[in-house]
Amino acid sequence: SQTIHQWPATLVQPVGSPLSLECTVEGTSNPNLYWYRQAAGRGLQLLFYSVGIGQISSEVPQNLSASRPQDRQFILSSKKLLLSDSGFYLCAWSGGGFGEKLFFGSGTQLSVL
Amino acid sequence: EDQVTQSPEALRLQEGESSSLNCSYTVSGLRGLFWYRQDPGKGPEFLFTLYSAGEEKEKERLKATLTKKESFLHITAPKPEDSATYLCAVQASGGSEKLVFGKGTKLTVNP
Repeated sequence: SQTIHQWPATLVQPVGSPLSLECTVEGTSNPNLYWYRQAAGRGLQLLFYSVGIGQISSEVPQNLSASRPQDRQFILSSKKLLLSDSGFYLCAWSGGGFGEKLFFGSGTQLSVL
Repeated sequence: EDQVTQSPEALRLQEGESSSLNCSYTVSGLRGLFWYRQDPGKGPEFLFTLYSAGEEKEKERLKATLTKKESFLHITAPKPEDSATYLCAVQASGGSEKLVFGKGTKLTVNP
């Protein structure tokens, strides 16, 4: 069966520090991968999605970036965090194609102080 | 622009008191409408996918229905363990396969 791993579960970082969140998927190949952010009162916001290694689409201009160095690995990064980057970050995967549901990881609660 | 609006934002029910959650959507063409359940501090968990108007799906005390403009999640005789935030999302035809989510309805069921 397929599983998705996301870490860390919680993270407290000072403003201006770098960020690296990692997500890996097991039990499937060539998944579509997604990074979402969930802020209070704003719902789930799509940040990046990838349909293959090295293929990244950005949905929202920001100081975050994403990379997919391997088929089942998705990384969210920042060189310098802002206060506004605080939120609940969720990685998700799907089998690709229209009508395919997303499977979410357990999330990372990021607090930028 | 594709949009999803969920109402109410929050709903309190007594155990056994049935009700419905609403998801209104505006898309250029609907490929699929998805319902998820999210517990505090966790990732959303998939419940249903609906593809065309008139379609209905059921799981335990939950039943999802779809029209051309909205979807309803009916909760029959809810229990305290049904307390969660329920999210609705749509996938539009054409363009990318991404899902657009509503802000969710926070359901609390009191014993």
